[in-house]
Amino acid sequence: DAKTTQPPSMDCAEGRAANLPCNHSTISGNEYVYWYRQIHSQGPQYIIHGLKNNETNEMASLIITEDRKSSTLILPHATLRDTAVYYCIAQGSGGGADGLTFGKGTHLIIQP
Amino acid sequence: DAGITQSPRHKVTETGTPVTLRCHQTENHRYMYWYRQDPGHGLRLIHYSYGVKDTDKGEVSDGYSVSRSKTEDFLLTLESATSSQTSVYFCAIRDREGSYGYTFGSGTRLTVV
Repeated sequence: DAKTTQPPSMDCAEGRAANLPCNHSTISGNEYVYWYRQIHSQGPQYIIHGLKNNETNEMASLIITEDRKSSTLILPHATLRDTAVYYCIAQGSGGGADGLTFGKGTHLIIQP
Repeated sequence: DAGITQSPRHKVTETGTPVTLRCHQTENHRYMYWYRQDPGHGLRLIHYSYGVKDTDKGEVSDGYSVSRSKTEDFLLTLESATSSQTSVYFCAIRDREGSYGYTFGSGTRLTVV
């Protein structure tokens, strides 16, 4: 599994777009980029994943650079409820049984 | 998302006693997982299961055993609890086939005194 690097913490104003960067310079061709978040004391929550194309769902957008060495998770209109730890994970397609490998993530704090 | 419940939500136990945590899912998902989360370590995989009676060890399996006698239940047992096993335990199911799309339970906070 490729190592990922994220800033330990970030602030964002409520209502603004939150852009969370992730570096995965050693990612291999068959590894996806997954994003999860964990709101205080709760279990992690799946947000989005992608291979090389940009992806969007009801929660967020994922922008992956053309060389796939980095990506950005975008929360378009952050609310106070988006305050959480966000995990970027680079891992294979999930065909096997083994689980996700979590790093330390980014603690995103949404300011009122 | 598939229903997933963990029990108990909180437990305090004494050192040396056996403890069993339960994870229950309401749909027939094949893969189930147990993680523990500690300050400074993040989430670490303890054991996982890829079917009834099919289990394997994760990163931090020492001191833990698991059983899966039915698709819907995955049990985590601490045979003789130690203070180092004080942690928050999360169960997860893979409910998006062919990817790492997981749904996690709400967690069990275990304190060993």
